Amino acid sequence: GQNIDQPTEMTATEGAIVQINCTYQTSGFNGLFWYQQHAGEAPTFLSYNVLDGLEEKGRFSSFLSRSKGYSYLLLKELQMKDSASYLCAPRGSNMLTFGGGTRLMVKP
Amino acid sequence: EAQVTQNPRYLITVTGKKLTVTCSQNMNHEYMSWYRQDPGLGLRQIYYSMNVEVTDKGDVPEGYKVSRKEKRNFPLILESPSPNQTSLYFCASSPMGGWVQPQHFGDGTRLSIL
Repeated sequence: GQNIDQPTEMTATEGAIVQINCTYQTSGFNGLFWYQQHAGEAPTFLSYNVLDGLEEKGRFSSFLSRSKGYSYLLLKELQMKDSASYLCAPRGSNMLTFGGGTRLMVKP
Repeated sequence: EAQVTQNPRYLITVTGKKLTVTCSQNMNHEYMSWYRQDPGLGLRQIYYSMNVEVTDKGDVPEGYKVSRKEKRNFPLILESPSPNQTSLYFCASSPMGGWVQPQHFGDGTRLSIL
């Protein structure tokens, strides 16, 4: 089975940097996805990590440590449109399991 | 346009009245999946399908059925809906088992069972 832990809510200021952490315990780990979900909308893919280290993609970066069962999503130069939920999803043998999501509120 | 299409988008119905939520993708994806999303519980997988005629249970399959007779379609069937199945449902697809390819999600179906 899988156990995923991420903060329920976070608040940050426009223009700032925020780090959203995710810890997980999973059998047959095969990588980890981050998805963004605006309220009432479908999740959309942000990043995928399979090896340890940092993957950078524009304002968003994602880090993975397989030995620690830990990942984080880093959002730089926050914009109001970044207000959304961010879902951590480690991939197991046959399934992708989503965490409860972190609701990020960006304030002016 | 590449997309996953779910119908209906919204449905209010009563306990025990069989219903089907359709899901269709036009990307020739092998893998399709159904999730439900409830406040505080996140996305939970109901069923998934690795390919035509191959389906497997996810985390919360009770009360649901699926079929995969064609590659593009993956309907979700509630034979006897109950109020605890009131939820937001998402269908998703990806090229290969959701392994290294991200899943594409439909816009969601909000079901209310009275």
